[in-house]
Amino acid sequence: DAGITQSPRHKVTETGTPVTLRCHQTENHRYMYWYRQDPGHGLRLIHYSYGVKDTDKGEVSDGYSVSRSKTEDFLLTLESATSSQTSVYFCAISKTGGGLQETQYFGPGTRLLVL
Amino acid sequence: SQQGEEDPQALSIQEGENATMNCSYKTSINNLQWYRQNSGRGLVHLILIRSNEREKHSGRLRVTLDTSKKSSSLLITASRAADTASYFCATSGSRLTFGEGTQLTVNP
Repeated sequence: DAGITQSPRHKVTETGTPVTLRCHQTENHRYMYWYRQDPGHGLRLIHYSYGVKDTDKGEVSDGYSVSRSKTEDFLLTLESATSSQTSVYFCAISKTGGGLQETQYFGPGTRLLVL
Repeated sequence: SQQGEEDPQALSIQEGENATMNCSYKTSINNLQWYRQNSGRGLVHLILIRSNEREKHSGRLRVTLDTSKKSSSLLITASRAADTASYFCATSGSRLTFGEGTQLTVNP
């Protein structure tokens, strides 16, 4: 267990509504990541953070925003949910200073269904 | 686009047999990592091999890396039903890029 929790674990929402997913870590590591996992696409990076208020885009960032106001929390927001954002969302952390290239530890995931 | 590609997509074996999964990639890497994902769970890191290493062991796991062929293999020896999971390789260039995984089923 990497000390990462995600909330909610499951969510059903309607197209056009905003949705916020929360990732919480207990160990104050610098790097945090949001991924989505879809059949046929594997795991794709949405956004990542390298410190409080320091974030950057991943390969599939359109339609998503993130915020990190505290070291332990990384929020992912879908501004206006679409059916194409139905997916399983994973948060991850890196425990070493090497950041994006090093071992990552994953949370349990959030299953999001956009109707 | 995905960097690592696993082969086969699915593998079914009997308990006690060895399982071999392969990963190919296209560009130079700093390291290559293997992860396991049980159904409905998050990914769990198994092993990391750096670009200057050729082989690494961890318990029943053996990973090889051939940078000239841009490929890696994961061998699980004496497999158990509990090894049933999806296995992903992740290549590390500027960031980690995950393949689509191999679904391993170990039959009791």
